[in-house]
Amino acid sequence: ETGVTQSPTHLIKTRGQQVTLRCSSQSGHNTVSWYQQALGQGPQFIFQYYREEENGRGNFPPRFSGLQFPNYSSELNVNALELDDSALYLCASSGGQPTDTQYFGPGTRLTVL
Amino acid sequence: QKEVEQDPGPLSVPEGAIVSLNCTYSNSAFQYFMWYRQYSRKGPELLMYTYSSGNKEDGRFTAQVDKSSKYISLFIRDSQPSDSATYLCAMSESGAQKLVFGQGTRLTINP
Repeated sequence: ETGVTQSPTHLIKTRGQQVTLRCSSQSGHNTVSWYQQALGQGPQFIFQYYREEENGRGNFPPRFSGLQFPNYSSELNVNALELDDSALYLCASSGGQPTDTQYFGPGTRLTVL
Repeated sequence: QKEVEQDPGPLSVPEGAIVSLNCTYSNSAFQYFMWYRQYSRKGPELLMYTYSSGNKEDGRFTAQVDKSSKYISLFIRDSQPSDSATYLCAMSESGAQKLVFGQGTRLTINP
């Protein structure tokens, strides 16, 4: 069974640029959630996708957007990058049932200069 | 006030000690409670998962949930240096939905 994978591992961008982060969900999982983890903080929920539809969103501006594909992989897009967007971006997948829990990937570390 | 409060530590204990980690929360709708372990620069790894109140034991780890007090705990027995990590509590109204995390407690087990 393949776990959750994310790419790239890390990247550096400058303020105002756009970035796309990718996530492959664990085999058999149809739900993907994205979290932002600032240094020294717990992860914060960005949004969740269930069967290609957005299924809940946290307190993040519209410049954070996402997609889920028919194979349940997902992308997180961030436009007009700001310095405060520097963080570890985590993807988690689950089976989508209320009793399911979420399994996390290793994360993508984004640095905005 | 944050929905979930967790003492960030750091917490440093000798090898073999019993470790107690705690979180409090304010949202009475939370039903699912989790503990994740996160090593430096890695993703969180699920340790314990509990539904509603009660205790759950898995090897050296015991999770307790007291919904009446809005308080959850994780106990680690016979702590090992390999247990050194950041421990995150997380909770949700529905297990598959949005997780709300505490800040994380940084734990060091000294040989």
